[in-house]
Amino acid sequence: DQQVKQNSPSLSVQEGRISILNCDYTNSMFDYFLWYKKYPAEGPTFLISISSIKDKNEDGRFTVFLNKSAKHLSLHIVPSQPGDSAVYFCAPHSNFGNEKLTFGTGTRLTIIP
Amino acid sequence: DARVTQTPRHKVTEMGQEVTMRCQPILGHNTVFWYRQTMMQGLELLAYFRNRAPLDDSGMPKDRFSAEMPDATLATLKIQPSEPRDSAVYFCASGLSGAYEQYFGPGTRLTVT
Repeated sequence: DQQVKQNSPSLSVQEGRISILNCDYTNSMFDYFLWYKKYPAEGPTFLISISSIKDKNEDGRFTVFLNKSAKHLSLHIVPSQPGDSAVYFCAPHSNFGNEKLTFGTGTRLTIIP
Repeated sequence: DARVTQTPRHKVTEMGQEVTMRCQPILGHNTVFWYRQTMMQGLELLAYFRNRAPLDDSGMPKDRFSAEMPDATLATLKIQPSEPRDSAVYFCASGLSGAYEQYFGPGTRLTVT
C-alpha cells in the first residue's frame, strides 16, 4: 500500500533549465508536505515544505506546488545547478497528532553541465 | 553545529550475529525515528519515540529487531540474529514534538553476509 508515489525514479536536466519533480499521494489526511534532498553517503536534509492550506511556496530557486484535488505536488528548481544533483524525497505528514512522515521512493536528479 | 550522530558508519557481519546501531539525537530534541533505506522500498519507518517512549514500531520485524532509548541522548537499534536481507542503510532522525521537520544522521550501512 504505497501512499506516496514518485513515479520517476530518475530525471536528467540540462544546467540552467527547470527541473520538475513530481509526487502523488492517496491519503487525504496528509496536511503538510516536505521535500528532502539526499546526497550519496549522507542523510536526507530538509529542503522546502508546504501546508495543505496553501497551493504554492517559494524559497529562492525552489518552489513547491500543491494540487489537493488531484493529490499531487511538484517541486520546481530553476535554474538547475550541478549541486542540485541528488535524490529528492517527497514526505507528507498525516494529521493524526503525531510526528511521523511517509517518504516516497525518491527521484534521482542529475544536472548535466 | 547541532547534528545527529550515528555509529558505526559501516558494519559488515555474518549471518546470525547480533548488530547494534547507535544514535545520538540533537540535544533538546525529544522525538527519535529509525528508518531503513533499501533500493526497492525507499525510506521505511521502523520505529518512533517521543520523550523516550516508543510510540510506533509497526514497521519493525518484531522477532529479530528491537529499538530502545536508554536515555535522552542515546537511541539503539538491535538486530538479533541478523540475516542477509537486513543489508541496508539505517538512518536515525530526531526532531521536536509537534514539529514536522526531522533531522537525519549520516546513516549506518549494514552488510550481512
